[in-house]
Amino acid sequence: QKEVEQNSGPLSVPEGAIASLNCTYSDRVSQSFFWYRQYSGKSPELIMSIYSNGDKEDGRFTAQLNKASQYVSLLIRDSQPSDSATYLCAVNRSGTYKYIFGTGTRLKVLA
Amino acid sequence: DGGITQSPKYLFRKEGQNVTLSCEQNLNHDAMYWYRQDPGQGLRLIYYSQIVNDFQKGDIAEGYSVSREKKESFPLTVTSAQKNPTAFYLCASSEGGLGSSYEQYFGPGTRLTVT
Repeated sequence: QKEVEQNSGPLSVPEGAIASLNCTYSDRVSQSFFWYRQYSGKSPELIMSIYSNGDKEDGRFTAQLNKASQYVSLLIRDSQPSDSATYLCAVNRSGTYKYIFGTGTRLKVLA
Repeated sequence: DGGITQSPKYLFRKEGQNVTLSCEQNLNHDAMYWYRQDPGQGLRLIYYSQIVNDFQKGDIAEGYSVSREKKESFPLTVTSAQKNPTAFYLCASSEGGLGSSYEQYFGPGTRLTVT
């Protein structure tokens, strides 16, 4: 079992729809969770961080964390073609410098 | 503007040559990291450094070396011992401090091709 798992996609959604990206992790001691957006050929860009169970909203983005079920998700409302990218999930155990990344989900927003 | 710079953006080398990738940050972050990214794989940690003059091996350190002589600089050398060096190399930094989890920020990356 991979430490951080994401569906590779592509996930295709029409413009204006909600895109839902999911990530599961295996280490129950993980305490910090991050979502990155990576455009083709570019480096990852931090979108959201979440540390507590529940939802965290930032503009069109909402991160959801459920530690009991060991999953974290990212919702993108009003999806735009410019949101088309690969989204990476990363987890970190507090007190360590190791961040574990998933392989990413490719999102395609269709105009 | 605060940020992380990496140079060069593209690098081409012949097999058997050592090559050094530059990473500089002006975010005043304590921790710095090197990852490599290959198609279809997640980011893999090569080395990380928590403070100046200290660094630790990551998951795939063989064939690589680093130094941390200054807080803002963390160069990576890809040696001829690295069997498959062609990859996208990413430098990152975060605020330090054990017991806390800080957000990591990435530089623009260096794409290394070895033939």
